[in-house]
Amino acid sequence: ETGVTQTPRHLVMGMTNKKSLKCEQHLGHNAMYWYKQSAKKPLELMFVYSLEERVENNSVPSRFSPECPNSSHLFLHLHTLQPEDSALYLCASSQDTGTGYGYTFGSGTRLTVV
Amino acid sequence: DQQVKQNSPSLSVQEGRISILNCDYTNSMFDYFLWYKKYPAEGPTFLISISSIKDKNEDGRFTVFLNKSAKHLSLHIVPSQPGDSAVYFCAASPSQGGKLIFGQGTELSVKP
Repeated sequence: ETGVTQTPRHLVMGMTNKKSLKCEQHLGHNAMYWYKQSAKKPLELMFVYSLEERVENNSVPSRFSPECPNSSHLFLHLHTLQPEDSALYLCASSQDTGTGYGYTFGSGTRLTVV
Repeated sequence: DQQVKQNSPSLSVQEGRISILNCDYTNSMFDYFLWYKKYPAEGPTFLISISSIKDKNEDGRFTVFLNKSAKHLSLHIVPSQPGDSAVYFCAASPSQGGKLIFGQGTELSVKP
């Protein structure tokens, strides 16, 4: 068990579909993050949640909608995505937002938009 | 504007030799640096870190060097092993408690 679990591992969706990515952490951390990894690009921070409150939104299009119902769960709701949104979406957690060295990542969801 | 850059997308090294992965940064406010390792189908895992008060940190076969004046850090792996084959991400933050900014990664291949 990695401590941060992401489901599904792979997802193929059409541009008109609505789907959700799920992240769960069992580490007792207070901060959770969504990152996007595209080929040959840096890991891009999308959203930051601290104690279930969104504290950062890095100019992410509204077709990506995060939800953090409690400190252990984080969702990324997807709707009307574009093919260029195909990427690996990584969830991470840390003790708090001030713990830069303590990020624990999940294995990611490989998303393909067709 | 990319604040953390890894200019080599890939590196191939013979088993037993030294692997040197490089990272450059532009933000002088960064003072804490980390390396993460990522295998296919897995998330990145923390490998080693260094703060700006040091110029070297060593952990077994892994050593990170920091040159603040050049805004450059490097990761040395000696001796390299086939199991080290992975993508290595450099990351930086403005303090030990700051948000991480990642580079684009370098794919290391260690050949037997």
